[in-house]
Amino acid sequence: AQKITQTQPGMFVQEKEAVTLDCTYDTSDQSYGLFWYKQPSSGEMIFLIYQGSYDEQNATEGRYSLNFQKARKSANLVISASQLGDSAMYFCAMRDPNFGNEKLTFGTGTRLTIIP
Amino acid sequence: NAGVTQTPKFQVLKTGQSMTLQCAQDMNHEYMSWYRQDPGMGLRLIHYSVGAGITDQGEVPNGYNVSRSTTEDFPLRLLSAAPSQTSVYFCASSYSTQGNEKLFFGSGTQLSVL
Repeated sequence: AQKITQTQPGMFVQEKEAVTLDCTYDTSDQSYGLFWYKQPSSGEMIFLIYQGSYDEQNATEGRYSLNFQKARKSANLVISASQLGDSAMYFCAMRDPNFGNEKLTFGTGTRLTIIP
Repeated sequence: NAGVTQTPKFQVLKTGQSMTLQCAQDMNHEYMSWYRQDPGMGLRLIHYSVGAGITDQGEVPNGYNVSRSTTEDFPLRLLSAAPSQTSVYFCASSYSTQGNEKLFFGSGTQLSVL
């Protein structure tokens, strides 16, 4: 069974600083996919970034990058130059390789608060 | 382009009542799922479907039924609501299961069972 662990329930970061949100995962499979989603206070789930287990380079999407360390089974999200609008819940998720996007396993999330 | 549409946005039920949460997508996605979100527990998969006529159970299926008669619609039925089903429910859809194909989420339904 897949498992995602996010050990930081909440974080406070000064505006314009970089922030790293931790995510570790547990799987015995070699092929898998990792996602990060953002949930602002309005409640919608916003896709941020994806990393495939066979991708040789760390994924990047604008100010978001994923620090993928396969041997450590970690997939930390890095947000550069944080903004007030980054305040939200952030979820790490894994796609079960035996299934697909219809079956994601989510972590418990990290609530990020950006301080002006 | 509406994406994934969930109705209603809010609902209050009494214990024992039944209701259906509606989910529709207009992107011709094959894969659809229902998740519930509870404080401190992230999102947990209730049921999912890989195409019309095909459904299966997720992590927390008890108390919920689904059907998929069309590609577009994937309703979630609560047969006899219980306070433990108080939660925020999300419907999601995806075109494929490979690569970086992401899930598209609906805006959620906040359900309270008294």
